[in-house]
Amino acid sequence: GDSVTQMEGPVTLSEEAFLTINCTYTATGYPSLFWYVQYPGEGLQLLLKATKADDKGSNKGFEATYRKETTSFHLEKGSVQVSDSAVYFCALSAYGGATNKLIFGTGTLLAVQP
Amino acid sequence: DSGVTQTPKHLITATGQRVTLRCSPRSGDLSVYWYQQSLDQGLQFLIQYYNGEERAKGNILERFSAQQFPDLHSELNLSSLELGDSALYFCASSVSRAAGNTIYFGEGSWLTVV
Repeated sequence: GDSVTQMEGPVTLSEEAFLTINCTYTATGYPSLFWYVQYPGEGLQLLLKATKADDKGSNKGFEATYRKETTSFHLEKGSVQVSDSAVYFCALSAYGGATNKLIFGTGTLLAVQP
Repeated sequence: DSGVTQTPKHLITATGQRVTLRCSPRSGDLSVYWYQQSLDQGLQFLIQYYNGEERAKGNILERFSAQQFPDLHSELNLSSLELGDSALYFCASSVSRAAGNTIYFGEGSWLTVV
């Protein structure tokens, strides 16, 4: 079945460091890909998405590019801030069929230190 | 604020009891999803409704049931509760069931079974 694999956390960085969180997927067809973020004590918020190959999603300085050839959707940010500390979830939504439910990875905890 | 409203925010109940979690989707959204988030299982899809009809079922226990009403709000009923049912339950909504549609999450209902 469809699945998402994320790098294990926690990821601990100093402020202004470069961030990469790896995400790969397995799916039949051409899924849509998402990154959600969960700040401490809060719900899930959509960070960015891409719906077709080579699309780049971007928001709040974060970027991810849909790479069909490597089945990947890695999250990057050039300079992280303490306020970026959160859990980041990669997810896919399968193309076609009766449902567009999201399938999530296990989440990656990011801790940014001042 | 995603526009998805969940009540109650916190709930403590005893084993063997039954609880109902309520969700109001964003205005205009026809599709409602329920997810369970626990430390050991991560984010698990439970069930999806679209315009009152069940569209997809995930890892939902037989002790759990859900429905979507004509006004599009949804309820998740959890019965014969066990300690292992303690988790954060998310409701989410989207305008349709097309792949690539953004799915918006509520802040969740924290259930503690003692």
